[in-house]
Formats: sequence, C-alpha cells, structure tokens
Amino acid sequence: SQQGEEDPQALSIQEGENATMNCSYKTSINNLQWYRQNSGRGLVHLILIRSNEREKHSGRLRVTLDTSKKSSSLLITASRAADTASYFCATGSSGDMRFGAGTRLTVKP
Amino acid sequence: EAGVAQSPRYKIIEKRQSVAFWCNPISGHATLYWYQQILGQGPKLLIQFQNNGVVDDSQLPKDRFSAERLKGVDSTLKIQPAKLEDSAVYLCASSLTGTEEKLFFGSGTQLSVL
Repeated sequence: SQQGEEDPQALSIQEGENATMNCSYKTSINNLQWYRQNSGRGLVHLILIRSNEREKHSGRLRVTLDTSKKSSSLLITASRAADTASYFCATGSSGDMRFGAGTRLTVKP
Repeated sequence: EAGVAQSPRYKIIEKRQSVAFWCNPISGHATLYWYQQILGQGPKLLIQFQNNGVVDDSQLPKDRFSAERLKGVDSTLKIQPAKLEDSAVYLCASSLTGTEEKLFFGSGTQLSVL
C-alpha cells in the first residue's frame, strides 16, 4: 500500500512563481524524501529530511517536516519551465521506501 | 559512475504471455528494489532485495510475478502469465546500504499487455 499522499494532485503556475506541494503519511517514519520524475523517465532524488529535522534547504528547494501532524511540504522557489515534472514524497520506516501518488507540476513560461 | 541499467526499454506482449525485465544496479549497491508504476500513479514497491536475500515482497503478486537476484548484483523480474492490468512501467532502483538513504532509479521498462 502507498504510504505518503501528495496534495494537490496537479498544480499549474507561471515561471518565477513559487510552488508548494504537501505530503501526508500515516505511520512513524525514519526519514522522508522527495523525488522528481520527468515524463517517461525514472525518478530523481531531490532531498531527504530525517525525522528529527524540521526544515532543510537545497538550492531553490525548501522542505519542512512536522512529525506531529505526519506531514511535509516541498517549496520550489522562483520556478522555471524546466521544473515541470511530477513530484513524489517517499517515506521509509524499516528500509523500504514507499511513494505517494504525486503532484503534477506545470510551470508555464 | 554508471547509473542503474534496465532493459528492455519497451515491451509489448499479448495477455497470458510471459515477460522478463532485467536490472543492473549501481556497482556496490547492496539494496535493489523493483517498483510498478501504473500511469498516473506513484511507484508501488513490489520487492526489495538486500544483497541476494529478499527483505520485503509483501506486495508482489506471487501467483504470477517472480524475481531473483542470485549473485547479489543484477536482478530479473518475471511475469507469467501477464494480464491486462500488468500494463505499467517497471522501475528498478538501488541504494548503497538500504538504510533509507536515497534511491537511484533506472529509466524503467514500459510494458504494454494487449
């Protein structure tokens, strides 16, 4: 069964705007990861945040984690057309990594 | 550094036929995963290997799916017989130790069952 669930399912913004995606999960986790998938390709790892961390940054990416609410958010600042892709959160609790259904982000030039 | 290699890239078969997918993980990666991704959905974990042992195959439909990683390196996923609902992209991923660090994915095999 899937672990994380992303929200919204789809998001369309203009280039230069910020994009925020959310992930909720059900069970205790050791870490939460975000991945990007371009159409017809495999997934690419973006960022990992551990259960004892609250916020993490990587370039234009900012991830937050609230373990009390079992939720995480991914913020992409100053979006570009090349950011158009599907974004998935993945959670691990015992070595396995399970993915949500993803958010489809479209960035219009 | 070479990435995760998968073949074939595309496969079209008739229902009730058999099919096999191959994956070669990044050199030195102990953990190998097979995921099934149906169009519009997230990847679903089918099986996880640690070296040549199975860690998790709870979501593998064992009546028709099988997987092996005999020498702890490359792996084969087989479907026999295939059903229409098996149409999906089959993704292979690997990680260094399997202790929930990041996964490296191959480009996947797109299977169409007619």
